[in-house]
Order: sequence, then structure tokens, then C-alpha cells
Amino acid sequence: AQSVAQPEDQVNVAEGNPLTVKCTYSVSGNPYLFWYVQYPNRGLQFLLKYITGDNLVKGSYGFEAEFNKSQTSFHLKKPSALVSDSALYFCAVRVIVRSNYQLIWGAGTKLIIKP
Amino acid sequence: KAGVTQTPRYLIKTRGQQVTLSCSPISGHRSVSWYQQTPGQGLQFLFEYFSETQRNKGNFPGRFSGRQFSNSRSEMNVSTLELGDSALYLCASSPRDYDYNEQFFGPGTRLTVL
Repeated sequence: AQSVAQPEDQVNVAEGNPLTVKCTYSVSGNPYLFWYVQYPNRGLQFLLKYITGDNLVKGSYGFEAEFNKSQTSFHLKKPSALVSDSALYFCAVRVIVRSNYQLIWGAGTKLIIKP
Repeated sequence: KAGVTQTPRYLIKTRGQQVTLSCSPISGHRSVSWYQQTPGQGLQFLFEYFSETQRNKGNFPGRFSGRQFSNSRSEMNVSTLELGDSALYLCASSPRDYDYNEQFFGPGTRLTVL
């Protein structure tokens, strides 16, 4: 079955330290992968996507993600965390269901950045 | 350019009632998708509309339905509400389809079923 997993419900990082939010996937064919962020009481915002090309993708707010085909992973990273990065992060992968595209989502990872 | 808007933002209903949620996509966007977000289940795909046609549907019962109008605005209806329908309902729009483009989300409608 096609799926995406975010193995950590919560990640705690001290401000200024590097952060990583993990995502692994299982899909047939070449994956299209996305990261979104959700701030409290707001909808999701797009951060970055991987379709093809360079395995390191740069996105909004200083975030980047590394695509690793052999490990079927797409981890979100940032070199230096800010308190304002505290939010809920979702990984998503495009799949084809009944000949149409659809996004399936990870359960989300709550990122807490402590001052 | 105005973002995706959803109305109402908050809604309280009782079991057995029905509810209609509205979504106005970004101008020029023709695809509208609906999601249900709950703490336990995460983000679940409900359905997607493109040019007034339902193009894809998730695994939800028939009580959940939707439609899209010629101006791309979309409505979602839930009939015979159950307690488990309490959730944040998110609408997302994209220009054509989300093959290469990100989806733009509205702030959501928080539905509480008592």
C-alpha cells in the first residue's frame, strides 16, 4: 500500500541548533514529495517540493529537504532553528488513485523550538 | 491576490443535523480539494473538484458530498452529522492540478458536533 510516515509525533530543538523532521514514504514509481507547515489556527502553507533533479531541495523560511531514494526518505532540515519555526509539519506524497492524482499525508510532527 | 477563503470559520451543530461549508479558491484556480483534519487521523482527503466535476474521492461515507460552481467556488455538505465529524475542514486550491504545483490552503472551518 502506498503510504507516508512521520515517525516522530514531536521534535524538540533548542533555538540556534539544527533541526530535522523525518519523513519516509512508500509509493510505486517516482515520488513527488511535499512539505507543508501549519501554524496554530491557520491552514497549511507550502514549504517545498521534490519532483526531480537535485536531491537537496531548498524552500521557504530557510528550510531544505533531502531526498534519498535508497532510504525512501525526504527529511526536512534547517541549519539554525528559530522559536518562530515552532509549528506542525506535514509531509505529503502524490499518488495515483483510480487514474487521478491525490496527495496522501503523514500524521504530522509537532516541532517545538525552545529559547 | 486574495487567498483561499472559507466560511464560516466556526460552526457548532448537533447530531443528526446537516451542514454546508463554503470555499472560495484563489482567482484563476480551477481545482479545489477538501480535507478533514483531526488530531487522531491527521489530514484525510475528502474529494477534489476540477471545472465543476468531481475528479477524485477519498474513503468517506456518502454523507459527505460536495460540488463546484462555474466560478470555481466549492461547497461541502455533511448530512446526518455524527460526533466523529467534529474536525477542522480544510479547503485547498491549485491552478490546474497538483501535479507540479503546490496547493494553497484556506484557514479552515472548525466544526463541532454536540
